Amino acid sequence: GEDVEQSLFLSVREGDSSVINCTYTDSSSTYLYWYKQEPGAGLQLLTYIFSNMDMKQDQRLTVLLNKKDKHLSLRIADTQTGDSAIYFCAENPSGTYKYIFGTGTRLKVLA
Amino acid sequence: DTAVSQTPKYLVTQMGNDKSIKCEQNLGHDTMYWYKQDSKKFLKIMFSYNNKELIINETVPNRFSPKSPDKAHLNLHINSLELGDSAVYFCASSQDLLAANTGELFFGEGSRLTVL
Repeated sequence: GEDVEQSLFLSVREGDSSVINCTYTDSSSTYLYWYKQEPGAGLQLLTYIFSNMDMKQDQRLTVLLNKKDKHLSLRIADTQTGDSAIYFCAENPSGTYKYIFGTGTRLKVLA
Repeated sequence: DTAVSQTPKYLVTQMGNDKSIKCEQNLGHDTMYWYKQDSKKFLKIMFSYNNKELIINETVPNRFSPKSPDKAHLNLHINSLELGDSAVYFCASSQDLLAANTGELFFGEGSRLTVL
């Protein structure tokens, strides 16, 4: 099947905004998710958006959802060195009982 | 207290050996999972169990056998290890089968398996 696609790398300067993009595959997903993986650790849920929403803001994080294009993005405002990690988007197609994770974007924040 | 704990954290072994990875969650969740993360960081589901019942078996070689003695534990046994089995294996749990609420997954820290 198709992969949930993300660009592999993103490098930004501390204090700038980061935008991580994701193209998912299944429009039946009720929620779409962003997970963060720090080095040597498991994934942690960062935020999620309900599929009938276009935007969700949570402190420095803004999630945008374009259902027509199956496009999800995560914007991190005022990016900090502690934000350096791998970010995964994920979908859970209706009735499948599983997450499909994106290919992951490695964010590097330069001081 | 660690919510989802896996052991061992690191495992180095020879081709052909048999090994097990154990996972326990203390969150009271009904559903547990095994994911495999390869060297490119791609994350693929292998198995899921709900209340000790196998729900997902995602085209995994039958050398991999999960076992869930109770809903708080999901172990992974691998027979006849091959070089391509080298990866990080993550255990995860969720409150239920993702049909209700936001279906958040809680991950363990991973078990890095290296097959020589």
